[in-house]
Amino acid sequence: NAGVMQNPRHLVRRRGQEARLRCSPMKGHSHVYWYRQLPEEGLKFMVYLQKENIIDESGMPKERFSAEFPKEGPSILRIQQVVRGDSAAYFCASSPREGTDTQYFGPGTRLTVL
Amino acid sequence: QQQVKQSPQSLIVQKGGISIINCAYENTAFDYFPWYQQFPGKGPALLIAIRPDVSEKKEGRFTISFNKSAKQFSLHIMDSQPGDSATYFCAARLIQGAQKLVFGQGTRLTINP
Repeated sequence: NAGVMQNPRHLVRRRGQEARLRCSPMKGHSHVYWYRQLPEEGLKFMVYLQKENIIDESGMPKERFSAEFPKEGPSILRIQQVVRGDSAAYFCASSPREGTDTQYFGPGTRLTVL
Repeated sequence: QQQVKQSPQSLIVQKGGISIINCAYENTAFDYFPWYQQFPGKGPALLIAIRPDVSEKKEGRFTISFNKSAKQFSLHIMDSQPGDSATYFCAARLIQGAQKLVFGQGTRLTINP
């Protein structure tokens, strides 16, 4: 059973470009969480999605950031007009259903903005 | 206050020794407290977790001690090994809403051979 998959693993963008990060949850999991980790810091919650629904986006910056989890396909975290401060590791986690304890994390996407 | 404070920031322990990492929280709306282990370039992996209705949980060399009244919990790694060298994060999950995890700042643990 494959774990949470994220791609790309490394992404380099120039300021002003768009970044698209993809997350495929574990098989059978319908809940996806996105977290951001700045260098030498803990993970910060960004958004929680279920299939076709955003449940909680309280950790998402108000501008330039968006997330989706369509009925078919991976979850996408989209960052428009990236700035140097967006450079971080972005982790996706999944769980099978609401109320379950464990969130399983993917390997992350390291975004570098030049 | 949705914060989890973790200490120390870094820790060096001799092989065979006991590693202790501490976390504290203020929000009583947390209902689940996991510890994650992260190696460089990898995602966090669940190590062990506890609910506030128990005071201790042990899995192999790893033990969580939980003090509900003090709002503190700690990770103890017995007989620490060089392979335990990693960054450890405590976390807490909110009961209501999205059940998102709130993470501590992390502890970089180094086990010297």
